[in-house]
Amino acid sequence: EAQVTQNPRYLITVTGKKLTVTCSQNMNHEYMSWYRQDPGLGLRQIYYSMNVEVTDKGDVPEGYKVSRKEKRNFPLILESPSPNQTSLYFCASRGLSTDTQYFGPGTRLTVL
Amino acid sequence: DAKTTQPTSMDCAEGRAANLPCNHSTISGNEYVYWYRQIHSQGPQYIIHGLKNNETNEMASLIITEDRKSSTLILPHATLRDTAVYYCIASSGTYKYIFGTGTRLKVLA
Repeated sequence: EAQVTQNPRYLITVTGKKLTVTCSQNMNHEYMSWYRQDPGLGLRQIYYSMNVEVTDKGDVPEGYKVSRKEKRNFPLILESPSPNQTSLYFCASRGLSTDTQYFGPGTRLTVL
Repeated sequence: DAKTTQPTSMDCAEGRAANLPCNHSTISGNEYVYWYRQIHSQGPQYIIHGLKNNETNEMASLIITEDRKSSTLILPHATLRDTAVYYCIASSGTYKYIFGTGTRLKVLA
């Protein structure tokens, strides 16, 4: 089954404790992206990647890092999480020859 | 990418057509209009997209005005399962997407 998976689905952590949210897709898609969703603000793009070793900033990249060492994986790294990064995070992927983004189930992160 | 404007919320009776408008007055010639929806807090789901011609698929129809400054997503026979937040996005496909806050559609029994 074609899908985008994210882990963990839920995470509660404390300020300053480094964490990684993993994202993996099994559709051989070149494009992957991370979004965060906050009440009243909709979905905002954090980072995206057009292919292996190619990443670029979205609208809200501050406080986040990403890497794309393999085509199927696109982890989101929070080196020093802060409470304002408490949010619902979605990973998405898309093939370059298609217009459809496929989204993961989301990761709900709480930073205390 | 162009900014889009949508009503905050709409209601629709079950079985009737739901017409969701979107304004994208600053859209450029190479930008497509995409529609996604999000049920509860699940990942958004692609519905349809178009450039300037009207489009139809098994989920919905997309009507784009001739000047391309606005569009309407039509769900022909809304069901309770269509209750969701609907996002209209204008994007040239250059990998940056601006989702905005969308329209919360409530289908009433």
